[in-house]
Amino acid sequence: EVQMVESGGGLVQPGGSLRLSCAASGFTFSSYWMHWVRQAPGKGLVWVSGIKSDGSTTTYADSVRGRFTISRDNAKNTLYLQTNSLRAEDTAVYYCARGGAWYAFDIWGQGTMVTVSS
Amino acid sequence: QSALTQPASVSGSPGQSITISCTGTSSDVGYYNYVSWYQQHPGKAPKFMIFDVSNRPSGVSNRFVGSKSGNTASLTISGLQAEDEADYYCSSYTTSSTLVFGGGTKVTVL
Repeated sequence: EVQMVESGGGLVQPGGSLRLSCAASGFTFSSYWMHWVRQAPGKGLVWVSGIKSDGSTTTYADSVRGRFTISRDNAKNTLYLQTNSLRAEDTAVYYCARGGAWYAFDIWGQGTMVTVSS
Repeated sequence: QSALTQPASVSGSPGQSITISCTGTSSDVGYYNYVSWYQQHPGKAPKFMIFDVSNRPSGVSNRFVGSKSGNTASLTISGLQAEDEADYYCSSYTTSSTLVFGGGTKVTVL
């Protein structure tokens, strides 16, 4: 079964950091672009970041560039998102998503909640 | 990176057809045919519905049809069913090598 399971979310103070993980199984992880997408409570989807299958190319939304870092470990079938200098507006459910058509998200995890609050 | 523009809500009766628009610019929707659509039920992860403007992944009903004209993409749902009630989001690749979503459209089946 193809699936992705996110972890690492939680409550963090403004200015703090969290490392999100996404464990993939059931497909050849190293063949796909992977992305992070977030959704604030009651709001719409927002693309955050993407990484090429071999990790050679990364791309970020303006709102997180310089604060977040996407990475992957193809040997462990795991995607990461290092989030630094967190702000209240970063509060959201963070989904990892497979880039099935490289730019399109064909498989989604269940999400992990990040809450930035003092 | 402004979000693509979608109507906040669209409604229709069972069996009818509805169309959701997704308006971007010449730097995203109008430049590439890299438009995709997603369905999201409350409390669930989004579901992949359309890619490359008009292609359906395996398992998606042919009642869902995507199209594009200029800077506006559209998703038409025909034969509306109760299970189609959900939020729908469009997405596009941009000339800045980023991706952008629309604000989302809530579909109500009357």
